[in-house]
Amino acid sequence: DAKTTQPTSMDCAEGRAANLPCNHSTISGNEYVYWYRQIHSQGPQYIIHGLKNNETNEMASLIITEDRKSSTLILPHATLRDTAVYYCIVRAPSNTGKLIFGQGTTLQVKP
Amino acid sequence: DTAVSQTPKYLVTQMGNDKSIKCEQNLGHDTMYWYKQDSKKFLKIMFSYNNKELIINETVPNRFSPKSPDKAHLNLHINSLELGDSAVYFCASSPNGGENQPQHFGDGTRLSIL
Repeated sequence: DAKTTQPTSMDCAEGRAANLPCNHSTISGNEYVYWYRQIHSQGPQYIIHGLKNNETNEMASLIITEDRKSSTLILPHATLRDTAVYYCIVRAPSNTGKLIFGQGTTLQVKP
Repeated sequence: DTAVSQTPKYLVTQMGNDKSIKCEQNLGHDTMYWYKQDSKKFLKIMFSYNNKELIINETVPNRFSPKSPDKAHLNLHINSLELGDSAVYFCASSPNGGENQPQHFGDGTRLSIL
């Protein structure tokens, strides 16, 4: 599975959009981009995933560049409860399903 | 109802003891996982079972033995606990290990070795 690079930490003002970047320059054609987050003292929580097209759900939007070498997770109106570590993971379809977590981005949403 | 539940939530014990952590999922998923999150907060896969069969074993010491009595349960037994086993252990499940299937995690078991 391809490796990912994320900034160690970011701040965002409450109510503003949080844009979290992820580089995955060695991604293969069949690998998906997944985003999870971990709020303090809780288990990781799935947010969104995509292959090529941009995706949106009730939690966030995922923008994947045309060359697929990077992506951005967008939380449109960040709240204090969105403070968490956000993990960008690239994973190929397989029968094992294991997730390889990096260090993630610690997002601090400030009032 | 909690989708993936782990017991106990906290476990404090002495070095050398044997302990078990239990995990149950009520999502009807076929695949279950154990992850370990160490003090530096890195999350790492340990084991995965699909329909009660072991499919991932990530170079974990053989003091760790997972057991899956049925596809809704995946327990983790640890023999001869060592200081380095102190960590948070997360159980997760997914419909099966294939594509487009996010994993659902429990809230973790915090294991502290004295």
